[in-house]
Order: sequence, then structure tokens, then C-alpha cells
Amino acid sequence: EADIYQTPRYLVIGTGKKITLECSQTMGHDKMYWYQQDPGMELHLIHYSYGVNSTEKGDLSSESTVSRIRTEHFPLTLESARPSHTSQYLCASSEKFIPGVTDTQYFGPGTRLTVL
Amino acid sequence: AQTVTQSQPEMSVQEAETVTLSCTYDTSESDYYLFWYKQPPSRQMILVIRQEAYKQQNATENRFSVNFQKAAKSFSLKISDSQLGDAAMYFCAYRRLRAGGTSYGKLTFGQGTILTVHP
Repeated sequence: EADIYQTPRYLVIGTGKKITLECSQTMGHDKMYWYQQDPGMELHLIHYSYGVNSTEKGDLSSESTVSRIRTEHFPLTLESARPSHTSQYLCASSEKFIPGVTDTQYFGPGTRLTVL
Repeated sequence: AQTVTQSQPEMSVQEAETVTLSCTYDTSESDYYLFWYKQPPSRQMILVIRQEAYKQQNATENRFSVNFQKAAKSFSLKISDSQLGDAAMYFCAYRRLRAGGTSYGKLTFGQGTILTVHP
């Protein structure tokens, strides 16, 4: 398994709370991603980063924000959690793109978030 | 926009038998990558196999192989000698070779197929 970690694994929290989901990788990967996945459904990209100080929004609109101050760390923050944010959040990373080499994404174990 | 379709929400197979999971995709690109990922219940998503579109030879990884039909835009996964540990949700994914001037590696996922393995 890849060296990419997410904490917490499970989080149950009340509406209106601020939360930060942590994601770290020890592989030195430049690119990192956040996906949102409802149970039994496909993954949707919500944020990605090319490298330090680079962040972009993904395909699925999300009220969350991300930061990339260090290569290995890509936290996701919800300023005010709502029940509609209940989902699983998966972090992934991949190497810098090299032509002719497939930059496979490696996934973390995920954080299952429940907002009451 | 690219789309990935997995038409089988659920599949089942007997242990030691062979099963094939279907995946079709839609794209106007000629160069891209295709992946199969496995997500066991409550466990980490891991890469099973990948295929570069420019390669005509089908990828193989031990008991896992693909049938890549570029003209038909089909990318099925065959699992031979199925094992109990193969039970998981399987996702087919597509990635363009490039995205604008910088390839950020965006993956487009299918809806997933839940595979059950019966002893």
C-alpha cells in the first residue's frame, strides 16, 4: 500500500463546526487531490494541487477549501459543517507528470464524515 | 467531456472461477490512460491494473487482465481464479494524457461495480 495517510478516519460532528481533514504523503509527490465519494457511488474530484502554493477547484463544486504549504501536506477545511457535507473524503497523490510515464494516483484510506 | 460507464452495479462469482467486469468510456481524445481500481469494504482504494491507449497489447497483472478495445471504447477487467479477497467495489477510471498545458492527472471514474465472491 502507498504511503499516504488521512486523519481522522471517522468524524461525527455537529452542524456549524469548523473541521479540518488532514492528508499527508511521504512519497515526495508533487500532485495531490481530494475526492468526495457518497456510499456506493463514484468519486468526484473537488480539489487538486500541482505543488506548493498551487490549488485548484475540481469538477464538483464544494464549500471546502484547501491549502498546500508543504509538499507532503494537503489539508481540507470546512468552515461551517452542514449535514449535506456528510460523505467520504479521499485524498490521493501522484508524481510529477513525465511524458510517456503513467502518473498513477495513490489513495489514502479516506475520512468518513458525518455531520449531524 | 469524458464519461465512464460501468453498466453492472453488482456481479458475483464463485471462488476459483473467472469473472469479467465491463467498462465503456466516451472521449474524443486519441491518447489517454485507463485504470481499474479496487476498493475493499472500509479499506484503501488500490490500483489493480492500468492501460496506455497507445499500447495495443492488453495489460496483465497476475490474475487480472484487461480486454482493451479502443475502437469500441471498451475496457473490461477479467479476474481469473477468483479469491475471497477479490471481493470489493471496482472502479474503472479514465485520464487524459494532458489537460491544457499542464497534466494534473484528473481521473474520471465510473459508477463502480460491487463484486461478491462466493466460497
